[in-house]
Amino acid sequence: GAVVSQHPSWVICKSGTSVKIECRSLDFQATTMFWYRQFPKQSLMLMATSNEGSKATYEQGVEKDKFLINHASLTLSTLTVTSAHPEDSSFYICSARADSSNQPQHFGDGTRLSIL
Amino acid sequence: KQEVTQIPAALSVPEGENLVLNCSFTDSAIYNLQWFRQDPGKGLTSLLLIQSSQREQTSGRLNASLDKSSGRSTLYIAASQPGDSATYLCAVRDGNKLVFGAGTILRVKS
Repeated sequence: GAVVSQHPSWVICKSGTSVKIECRSLDFQATTMFWYRQFPKQSLMLMATSNEGSKATYEQGVEKDKFLINHASLTLSTLTVTSAHPEDSSFYICSARADSSNQPQHFGDGTRLSIL
Repeated sequence: KQEVTQIPAALSVPEGENLVLNCSFTDSAIYNLQWFRQDPGKGLTSLLLIQSSQREQTSGRLNASLDKSSGRSTLYIAASQPGDSATYLCAVRDGNKLVFGAGTILRVKS
């Protein structure tokens, strides 16, 4: 089945550091990729949607200068958390979907980000 | 605005029982509906995808139904096993986005 690889799975870093998370679709071309954030014991919160080669569309309340998204190819999207602070600590999950209205979304295993 | 509700919020059953998880959504204009499981600290694993024109999908011990007109879906798990313990999430594709329910935490006791 379709696989989405997310890396790294766990990051611990100091406040003020920028952190990049990669999301790759391994066996299909992902026209659309999504980035979610999940707080403990809560469901997923969509942060932004990106289409290959165009700017990401951010959800209301998500700072686009804080969370930089690049979807440079049909198999790779990156999320960079710039100048991270403790309140950015969370579980970030990427998702990818091939282009078609009837295709499922596939999810990565998530990245646990801890800012000290 | 699409809203997805899952009932119950948590469920604990003995091994071997058949069980039903419920999902309801407010706007029937959906492309499809997906059921996922999430293990602690992990991402989501897609279990079943039902297109808006379909009534049900089956995979092994799992069967998902969809009644689009009433805004309801159920996930039936037969002969539950301890390995089925996880959080089960229902999501509807509304436009370009998935709208998630809050999930059902399932615990299957051995």
